[in-house]
Amino acid sequence: EVQLVQSGAEVKKPGESLKISCKGSGYSFTSYWIGWVRQMPGKGLEWMGIIYPGDSDTRYSPSFQGQVTISADKSISTAYLQWSSLKASDTAMYYCARHLYQDTAMEIDYWGQGTLVTVSS
Amino acid sequence: SSELTQDPAVSVALGQTVRITCQGDSLRSYYASWYQQKPGQAPVLVIYGKNNRPSGIPDRFSGSSSGNTASLTITGAQAEDEADYYCNSRDSSGNLLVVFGGGTKLTVL
Repeated sequence: EVQLVQSGAEVKKPGESLKISCKGSGYSFTSYWIGWVRQMPGKGLEWMGIIYPGDSDTRYSPSFQGQVTISADKSISTAYLQWSSLKASDTAMYYCARHLYQDTAMEIDYWGQGTLVTVSS
Repeated sequence: SSELTQDPAVSVALGQTVRITCQGDSLRSYYASWYQQKPGQAPVLVIYGKNNRPSGIPDRFSGSSSGNTASLTITGAQAEDEADYYCNSRDSSGNLLVVFGGGTKLTVL
């Protein structure tokens, strides 16, 4: 059974750093793109970026380029989303998600349970 | 980057048919996929590719596409279908980037 299990909720202050995780199991972690999706309170889904754990190829949405870092440790089947200096506007639910790409389509077939990040002074 | 546009809210009477649409230039090149999200839950894939349903998704859910518009149709909507629905697709840059629509809140009356 494919599972993506994310780390627990975080409460941080502005300016602090943070790294949240997503551990994949039940499939070949290095063979699928895995990405992150943000959902701010009461708002829609926003695609942040993806990483291919097999070779660490990483792509970012222009909206998130330079704001976050996506990484992966294939030895422990875990992907990460990292901030160096949090802002209050980073308060959101963050989902990791397995991506499948074809020539004319893509879909997200598995989602993590979400990690709630709250940034408040 | 591309954008996908959805109506913010749609309603349907119990047992009737409803279509939720998604418009964007990227849909001329790529199929949309559709996700259902209920309050407090992670999204769930309901339609992908030309018109494919993952295992466990009822066959009242179907998808179609024409030009720059993709549609999700629920035939015989049930109370449990009340949720937010999001489309997404590959960005037209061809660089594996992805874009989501703004979401449609479906109310079943």
